[in-house]
Amino acid sequence: GQQLNQSPQSMFIQEGEDVSMNCTSSSIFNTWLWYKQDPGEGPVLLIALYKAGELTSNGRLTAQFGITRKDSFLNISASIPSDVGIYFCAGRGNTGNQFYFGTGTSLTVIP
Amino acid sequence: DAGVIQSPRHEVTEMGQEVTLRCKPISGHNSLFWYRQTMMRGLELLIYFNNNVPIDDSGMPEDRFSAKMPNASFSTLKIQPSEPRDSAVYFCASGEGDNQPQHFGDGTRLSIL
Repeated sequence: GQQLNQSPQSMFIQEGEDVSMNCTSSSIFNTWLWYKQDPGEGPVLLIALYKAGELTSNGRLTAQFGITRKDSFLNISASIPSDVGIYFCAGRGNTGNQFYFGTGTSLTVIP
Repeated sequence: DAGVIQSPRHEVTEMGQEVTLRCKPISGHNSLFWYRQTMMRGLELLIYFNNNVPIDDSGMPEDRFSAKMPNASFSTLKIQPSEPRDSAVYFCASGEGDNQPQHFGDGTRLSIL
């Protein structure tokens, strides 16, 4: 199936720093989603994007749907310890209900 | 609101045994997805249903795996016989339909000895 390349694979940052991560695809997508997964739990939806160029915020999180429709970005401002977890992107093309998931970015926030 | 409910949360069993994982999707959602998550392969889609009908099962690893959705509020994923390489976290997710985000359960952590 489709593979989404997510980078970086892991990040170690100081509390208060801003975070940026991205996701790229070889195919055009119509929808991008960003999830966060805490240990022992399922991924939780953070932000959904439906239009190229769309910029959407959810608190300290901001995500963008790339103009080329082949990438998406997630930014976290002023990180806090509870931001620790694995962040996944997911994208969907023209047909079907299937979303393809990235490999995840593991975020560690050092107090 | 009740989210996606999966049971059991943990299962440890010996190889060769039959394993049945259960999922109750969010009420009103008409799409249901089964995923497997491992360190090596990440999150893999196994199968998904639309209106209780299997649409794409190309991710099901082999004939030992089967999934059913007898009604809109219940689905099972069965492994028979189980093997150690089936050890993983299995997630169920549901969605409202085309292009709508999926909402995940907390998963079943499966260990096959």
